[in-house]
Amino acid sequence: GQNIDQPTEMTATEGAIVQINCTYQTSGFNGLFWYQQHAGEAPTFLSYNVLDGLEEKGRFSSFLSRSKGYSYLLLKELQMKDSASYLCALNDYKLSFGAGTTVTVRA
Amino acid sequence: GAVVSQHPSRVICKSGTSVKIECRSLDFQATTMFWYRQFPKQSLMLMATSNEGSKATYEQGVEKDKFLINHASLTLSTLTVTSAHPEDSSFYICSARVAQGGMNTEAFFGQGTRLTVV
Repeated sequence: GQNIDQPTEMTATEGAIVQINCTYQTSGFNGLFWYQQHAGEAPTFLSYNVLDGLEEKGRFSSFLSRSKGYSYLLLKELQMKDSASYLCALNDYKLSFGAGTTVTVRA
Repeated sequence: GAVVSQHPSRVICKSGTSVKIECRSLDFQATTMFWYRQFPKQSLMLMATSNEGSKATYEQGVEKDKFLINHASLTLSTLTVTSAHPEDSSFYICSARVAQGGMNTEAFFGQGTRLTVV
């Protein structure tokens, strides 16, 4: 299996920064996705890392280190609407998802 | 981005009946579609990979006779939950990738179907 681990929950204040970690154990994959999912809705794409390093897209950045089996999603300038579940997923054409991290943004 | 439409969004059915869920790619062709199930506060679990014109590939532990998948065209895949029971109540989500898009294209998700079996 791929043993994808994420923290279950995180809480942060509006305007702050939160880092969601994702660790995994797998022999090989094409890349790692991050998706956002609001309760009762389908996941929406946030970012995709193929190579090691940081990918920045506005307030969201994602980092991958294949040698360390580690990725993180960084959310900056948190807004209330960022309260959601964040899923990392390994891509070997099929996507294998972590359990998701529920982020709660408080005023 | 590309649009995947899933229907119905909610369905309530009686135990023992069958329910069909449709997944359509609206503005692109999808050689492969994926069906996931998600229980409350849990992650998406892949049930099967649906390939246009051929049999679906089911994940270990998923009953292929209970969850019938048909992928008759490049824009439509259906999942039929046969003889549904209360334990089948869940959130079912399909996703699709653009045909010819390669391994690194993102997957687009349907809106999901909330199935409740009473």
